[in-house]
Amino acid sequence: QLQLQESGPGLVKPSETLPLTCAVSGGSIRSSPYYWGWIRQPPGKGLEWIAFNDYTGRTFYNPSLKSRVTISADTSKNHFSLNLSSMTAADAAIYYCARRTINWRFDYWGQGMVVSVSS
Amino acid sequence: SIVLTQPPSVSVAPGQTATITCGGGNIENYNVHWYQQRPGQAPVLVVYDDSDRPSGIPERFSGSNSGNTATLTITRVEAGDEADFYCQIWDSSGDVVIFGGGTKLTVL
Repeated sequence: QLQLQESGPGLVKPSETLPLTCAVSGGSIRSSPYYWGWIRQPPGKGLEWIAFNDYTGRTFYNPSLKSRVTISADTSKNHFSLNLSSMTAADAAIYYCARRTINWRFDYWGQGMVVSVSS
Repeated sequence: SIVLTQPPSVSVAPGQTATITCGGGNIENYNVHWYQQRPGQAPVLVVYDDSDRPSGIPERFSGSNSGNTATLTITRVEAGDEADFYCQIWDSSGDVVIFGGGTKLTVL
């Protein structure tokens, strides 16, 4: 059974960069036709996608976040990462990692990582 | 890009049928996916490609998509179905994922 697990700091300071990692077990991130990426959910609000890429580096970004987002995959460790720069209070959210499969459906999700932004 | 509109809330009595809509211009031209998110949990895919169900999802969950409205239908609603539901598409014209705003299903 595929499992995804987010890790990273639960608290970041304004203007700093949020680094998150998603460890994948029970399957390889090199598998096709999968993409791996991030979706977030501000407190009490809906879902917002951030970015997804495959292990070759082909990446799709939410245009509203693209300038601040870096995502990458480490096939040797079977995990992928997100860096979101210039954090503000508006970036406080639960951050989920997820797998994208055919027709851009998200069939596996991590349990979510709560991230707060405060000095 | 297309905007997906969901009713903020739907209420239904146990045993009855819940219908959650997702409106958008010519949404029938897109593959619509639905997620259930129980309180404090990650979303779970319950319907994909308009009307298909992942393994493990009860047959009580079904979907349809026609014209400008996609619909998630839950028959014989149970207390455990209470959750937020989100529709989602991929808009290839802009290479963007679009989520609906979500619908809170309350079981009375």
